[in-house]
Amino acid sequence: KQEVTQIPAALSVPEGENLVLNCSFTDSAIYNLQWFRQDPGKGLTSLLLIQSSQREQTSGRLNASLDKSSGRSTLYIAASQPGDSATYLCAVPTTGGFKTIFGAGTRLFVKA
Amino acid sequence: DAGVTQSPTHLIKTRGQHVTLRCSPISGHKSVSWYQQVLGQGPQFIFQYYEKEERGRGNFPDRFSARQFPNYSSELNVNALLLGDSALYLCASSLGPDNEKLFFGSGTQLSVL
Repeated sequence: KQEVTQIPAALSVPEGENLVLNCSFTDSAIYNLQWFRQDPGKGLTSLLLIQSSQREQTSGRLNASLDKSSGRSTLYIAASQPGDSATYLCAVPTTGGFKTIFGAGTRLFVKA
Repeated sequence: DAGVTQSPTHLIKTRGQHVTLRCSPISGHKSVSWYQQVLGQGPQFIFQYYEKEERGRGNFPDRFSARQFPNYSSELNVNALLLGDSALYLCASSLGPDNEKLFFGSGTQLSVL
């Protein structure tokens, strides 16, 4: 049974700091992994999707890496800004693909 | 192009009532999935529909049901509401049924009193 864990649960950093969010999953036989951003009470915004054959994906100040063998993914945010304050979730589809398992998220607060 | 749209945005119901939530996927997307998110947790899978057929169901009671229409929009129905059904209900659309990138709507915040 696939389980997804995100550490830390919450993080507070000063503006401008580079930071890393962690995601781990128990079943390494994944097809892809997706990172999302969620603002309070809102829906999820897709940030990056990494296919199982890829090691990294980049979008602007965001870089996501994937290590299937160790069951880990990281989301790197460069030069953090107050507007980056949100909850970040990672998610993987289960075998069969119709169901996606989410971590509980990391709540990020960037102080101005 | 419009993204995934959900209605209503907020809803207040009392215990025992019935509720219907609606979702319109991105144009061209044929798969719709429903998720329930309780405060402080990640979304939990409820249903997936593809080409009007149910392809998967999560660990939710039979009070939860859904359907997909010929235009690929979808409804989630919940009967006999309980206090514990209070949550953010999210709809996601994707091109196909398996392992596809998910696009989410803004959600429906359901409060059961």
